[in-house]
Amino acid sequence: QSALTQPASVSGSPGQSITISCTGTSSDIGGYNYVSWYQQYPGKAPKLMIYDVSNRPSGVSNRFSGSKSGNTASLTISGLQAEDEADYYCSSYTSSTTAAFGGGTKLTVL
Amino acid sequence: QVQLVDSGGGLVKPGGSLRLSCAASGFTFGDYYMTWIRRAPGKGLEWVSYISSNGRTTYYADSVKGRFTISRDNAKNSLYLQMNSLRAEDTAVYYCARSRTGGRFDYWGQGTLVTVSS
Repeated sequence: QSALTQPASVSGSPGQSITISCTGTSSDIGGYNYVSWYQQYPGKAPKLMIYDVSNRPSGVSNRFSGSKSGNTASLTISGLQAEDEADYYCSSYTSSTTAAFGGGTKLTVL
Repeated sequence: QVQLVDSGGGLVKPGGSLRLSCAASGFTFGDYYMTWIRRAPGKGLEWVSYISSNGRTTYYADSVKGRFTISRDNAKNSLYLQMNSLRAEDTAVYYCARSRTGGRFDYWGQGTLVTVSS
């Protein structure tokens, strides 16, 4: 069982927006503004999409945005495109000075 | 450009050992903390271990504590994971990743598959 809770799957049509939630506790998400989101295609390495809750690394599309409220973080993808179909993982710094991951969410673009 | 290349995975029997390596290039390796993360078949990512930039501080997930040892050789730009007393539940793709402030991982290796089976 993963430390952070994500929905197993979400789906949306091209052009739509979707949001993936990630729920933790006050010892991780709720206690720090250190939430990251990763995109992973099958057989490939994960790619950092969002860090420190809402910051985008250079080169990541501004269609990707992050937010946090209490113990729950969210990743929103707007203007959904076929290439966005992938697995998405949230991660948070924890009070144990380690990192916790969510179980992953499979995004299907219909 | 930053590149991390994982190697050393393979098939090993329960109770056996394996040493993973991660070769880094494109950045000053000795300036960064490094981390091992794994993904078991059909499961999500799991943080395994990290090591400070000078190698003096290490942390382990409870699931591997006492069995795995992380180390690095900054002169060789390399990260290692010595895995002993391997169990079936250690079967996973193992990734090395560069760690940044706040527990984010900005570059990842391609992963190396470890299969523990008799």
